[in-house]
Amino acid sequence: AQSVSQHNHHVILSEAASLELGCNYSYGGTVNLFWYVQYPGQHLQLLLKYFSGDPLVKGIKGFEAEFIKSKFSFNLRKPSVQWSDTAEYFCAVNLNNAGNMLTFGGGTRLMVKP
Amino acid sequence: NAGVMQNPRHLVRRRGQEARLRCSPMKGHSHVYWYRQLPEEGLKFMVYLQKENIIDESGMPKERFSAEFPKEGPSILRIQQVVRGDSAAYFCASSPLGGHQYFGPGTRLTVT
Repeated sequence: AQSVSQHNHHVILSEAASLELGCNYSYGGTVNLFWYVQYPGQHLQLLLKYFSGDPLVKGIKGFEAEFIKSKFSFNLRKPSVQWSDTAEYFCAVNLNNAGNMLTFGGGTRLMVKP
Repeated sequence: NAGVMQNPRHLVRRRGQEARLRCSPMKGHSHVYWYRQLPEEGLKFMVYLQKENIIDESGMPKERFSAEFPKEGPSILRIQQVVRGDSAAYFCASSPLGGHQYFGPGTRLTVT
């Protein structure tokens, strides 16, 4: 069965620091990849997604992610975080032949100190 | 365009009672998904429905849980005879055919 791993469960950064959150998945076939964000008290929102094409994907709010097929990774990055980026971040994978079911990682709680 | 709506947002049930969670998809979306998030864990897929059809229920517990998406009205996730271990946040998502999923705010179920 496919699985998604987010190795950093909690990350604390100061404002203006750079961010990289790891995401690895365990499936050798064609996948669609997503990053979702959940701000405190709010529902999940899509940050960015990768289906095909350029492996460097740009999302909202200055986030980007890079798909590295050989490493089964889809790490999320932001060059300079803000206090308002404090949230929980979820990586998710959808197999091309598995309908629309998403498999989520365990999430990473990011706290940005002002 | 209203987003995915879920109600109630918070639900408290005593052990043995029934819980009914409702999800109204976004306008124009014909596909609904239910996910469960246990404390300190990520979301786990439960079931995928289209109108009047269950497409994939591979993530549903075998007993006490059921889901429906009738021709008219919201999708319902029903949990019979709730136990403490059912306490979790239940998220609904909807999508158009082939599109990505938009999530609702979730229902936090607490079983006392």
